[in-house]
Amino acid sequence: SQQGEEDPQALSIQEGENATMNCSYKTSINNLQWYRQNSGRGLVHLILIRSNEREKHSGRLRVTLDTSKKSSSLLITASRAADTASYFCAENTGGFKTIFGAGTRLFVKA
Amino acid sequence: SAVISQKPSRDICQRGTSLTIQCQVDSQVTMMFWYRQQPGQSLTLIATANQGSEATYESGFVIDKFPISRPNLTFSTLTVSNMSPEDSSIYLCSVDLGQGLGEKLFFGSGTQLSVL
Repeated sequence: SQQGEEDPQALSIQEGENATMNCSYKTSINNLQWYRQNSGRGLVHLILIRSNEREKHSGRLRVTLDTSKKSSSLLITASRAADTASYFCAENTGGFKTIFGAGTRLFVKA
Repeated sequence: SAVISQKPSRDICQRGTSLTIQCQVDSQVTMMFWYRQQPGQSLTLIATANQGSEATYESGFVIDKFPISRPNLTFSTLTVSNMSPEDSSIYLCSVDLGQGLGEKLFFGSGTQLSVL
């Protein structure tokens, strides 16, 4: 299978709460990216973390990477109803291919 | 960044027919990627399309079923041939425009295909 795993598969929270999504991958990576997809349409790139980095921030997003455990997490702080979407991690092993994880469906209740 | 126009945005087709999906990028790119997203699933890479050469297909995907054209550096088509209901999916084209290779993909808005 091409895909890594993500958990949870689905997450429902109240507006204002934090949302944490986890991703595990199978091989050594060059970088790991997180994408967002609204309503089954095109994906939007959110953030990239390289294999030699452990944490990155972008606005309300915080990404961590643990290469020893082959895992990453995406934290969205102070969530909003507009954050409702599917979130995918995607691994790159150094070539041109990007392999996507299974995804987490996030629902933020207003 | 890139603007990627993909069409049609959706279609309903009869089994046994073929559908060609078009992807137009507003800048020249070396590689274009075609992904499939089955209902409720993640994205699976179908093939990589380079201008001037045959597309490179991933395991489980073959040229006879998913022929790809790449006539220039801004355009590509994916054809879904001899369709069956199992081909009902979202098909997405994407390009890589990060600072380095494999760092940032931009996606078209996708083609929602339903096969009856």
